[in-house]
Amino acid sequence: RKEVEQDPGPFNVPEGATVAFNCTYSNSASQSFFWYRQDCRKEPKLLMSVYSSGNEDGRFTAQLNRASQYISLLIRDSKLSDSATYLCVFYNQGGKLIFGQGTELSVKP
Amino acid sequence: GAVVSQHPSWVICKSGTSVKIECRSLDFQATTMFWYRQFPKQSLMLMATSNEGSKATYEQGVEKDKFLINHASLTLSTLTVTSAHPEDSSFYICSERGPLSNTEAFFGQGTRLTVV
Repeated sequence: RKEVEQDPGPFNVPEGATVAFNCTYSNSASQSFFWYRQDCRKEPKLLMSVYSSGNEDGRFTAQLNRASQYISLLIRDSKLSDSATYLCVFYNQGGKLIFGQGTELSVKP
Repeated sequence: GAVVSQHPSWVICKSGTSVKIECRSLDFQATTMFWYRQFPKQSLMLMATSNEGSKATYEQGVEKDKFLINHASLTLSTLTVTSAHPEDSSFYICSERGPLSNTEAFFGQGTRLTVV
């Protein structure tokens, strides 16, 4: 089983839609989860950390399910500017930062 | 503001030449710098971990003699792609961890290398 798996998409959604991404990880010892956003030909930028209790930042909600070993990102009221690739990221047991392959989101007018 | 400064942001070089990429830590002294490579439509793959004052640790399958890493000071790490070939064309990016363990990583702006 891969250390991390993400649906690569692309997810094509209209403006205003709600969209959700999942990311599964294989090692239960993984810790400190994040969602990063990467625009084309740019460096990844932190969107939000993911806390065990779930957390929200404006239109974005992140959740961690340790029992099922996945994290999720929910985007409400999608904007055109949300179009990007969303990477799930976490530290593995060895302290290395592991990246998912990314989920591409395209928000259309 | 930027925490890590990476340059050049893009470079085109001839096959067989060497290219040096620099990453500079701006906000705090980074004893460890991570170097990644990203091919189109793929995830960031860790190439090596650069440690100040000691040898870099390379991931399996990464040729240490081809990708030379130097981390001579707390604020500067360099990656040199030696004898570059077209298949080395990729997006190279460095990152450093925040001052606390298991905190977010800060990335350089990335270097797009094209070998012709």
